[in-house]
Amino acid sequence: DTGVSQNPRHKITKRGQNVTFRCDPISEHNRLYWYRQTLGQGPEFLTYFQNEAQLEKSRLLSDRFSAERPKGSFSTLEIQRTEQGDSAMYLCASSLELSNQPQHFGDGTRLSIL
Amino acid sequence: GENVEQHPSTLSVQEGDSAVIKCTYSDSASNYFPWYKQELGKGPQLIIDIRSNVGEKKDQRIAVTLNKTAKHFSLHITETQPEDSAVYFCAASETNAGKSTFGDGTTLTVKP
Repeated sequence: DTGVSQNPRHKITKRGQNVTFRCDPISEHNRLYWYRQTLGQGPEFLTYFQNEAQLEKSRLLSDRFSAERPKGSFSTLEIQRTEQGDSAMYLCASSLELSNQPQHFGDGTRLSIL
Repeated sequence: GENVEQHPSTLSVQEGDSAVIKCTYSDSASNYFPWYKQELGKGPQLIIDIRSNVGEKKDQRIAVTLNKTAKHFSLHITETQPEDSAVYFCAASETNAGKSTFGDGTTLTVKP
């Protein structure tokens, strides 16, 4: 399978704990995006990377959220001191750098905060 | 920033009928408009896209139209089948902007 891979698929944790998600993009894609999706809504942009550089961050991304893409390949999204409102599906997508290229999504990590 | 509105939020059709989903956007700088299909427990999958230099694009039973003056674009599915049942999202983005702005989705149900 050469699509976007996300792990874990599901994460259940207690409020206040830290969680980390991983995304492996399509190998030739140098852009990587993180989105959050809640029930009944479309994906909301969080941040994106071009190679290892984080080029844009949404105001949705509070200081409890941090994303990295250290070698320009896989990326991690960490949420510290999780809150009830963090419960959502976290989606990763990747694309080529060329303008107006489609983003290819993984199947997401569903986070549930107890 | 960009704002994308999508209608209707739910759509039920009989198998074989056509389905139309409409989106409007606010930012005149947006020039790329993809449509995604999302099935339960899966991520969004691209089904068709259109760029601003084109008014219409067709791929088998699926077509998309774009009216840049009115800032709206539509998805047309003909000869619907039960396997077309899913949530459909429209999105808009600007060249050199990383993010896409999504509508809130349309739940399409095709009754056999």
